[in-house]
Amino acid sequence: DVKVTQSSRYLVKRTGEKVFLECVQDMDHENMFWYRQDPGLGLRLIYFSYDVKMKEKGDIPEGYSVSREKKERFSLILESASTNQTSMYLCASRTGTTYGYTFGSGTRLTVV
Amino acid sequence: DQQVKQNSPSLSVQEGRISILNCDYTNSMFDYFLWYKKYPAEGPTFLISISSIKDKNEDGRFTVFLNKSAKHLSLHIVPSQPGDSAVYFCAVQSNAGGTSYGKLTFGQGTILTVHP
Repeated sequence: DVKVTQSSRYLVKRTGEKVFLECVQDMDHENMFWYRQDPGLGLRLIYFSYDVKMKEKGDIPEGYSVSREKKERFSLILESASTNQTSMYLCASRTGTTYGYTFGSGTRLTVV
Repeated sequence: DQQVKQNSPSLSVQEGRISILNCDYTNSMFDYFLWYKKYPAEGPTFLISISSIKDKNEDGRFTVFLNKSAKHLSLHIVPSQPGDSAVYFCAVQSNAGGTSYGKLTFGQGTILTVHP
């Protein structure tokens, strides 16, 4: 069965910390995505990657960066965490030729 | 600028009745439309989809309707069950390959509550 795994379900970090969110997929998918979900705003795209070492900004990239050194792993980095980055973070992947995504279970990040 | 809108933040329905969730989009270039369901503390799961060449797709209790001229998408659940209580997101996608890399754009979500 297809799997996207996010390393942490819940995280609490302090303001100003550098935070790493990890995502691994076992489906050999080319494309990977990071979204955040906030009430009333739906899912908003932060960054995506269409190949190893390739990345593109999504709709809300400010305050974030990403890394994709291997095909199966896509990391989201909060350079200096702030309270407005408290959110549910969702990773997803897809092949290059199909529609729709497979999502991970999400990481609930709280910045205090 | 919101390309995909779900104007109803919440919907409450009695068990056994029909649930209708609505979604509007602005860009006529979108060619694939999806519905995802999300429970708290879980990732969204794919529910049903429809391509722009169709106007209806059915899967068991779930039917998606597409009205391209109105740029409107709806999801019908009949009969509704308490286990259907979740947040429902519509999503639009254009060009599975190409430079868009198949990005999904999501609506704000509708919280469906089905009462026993």
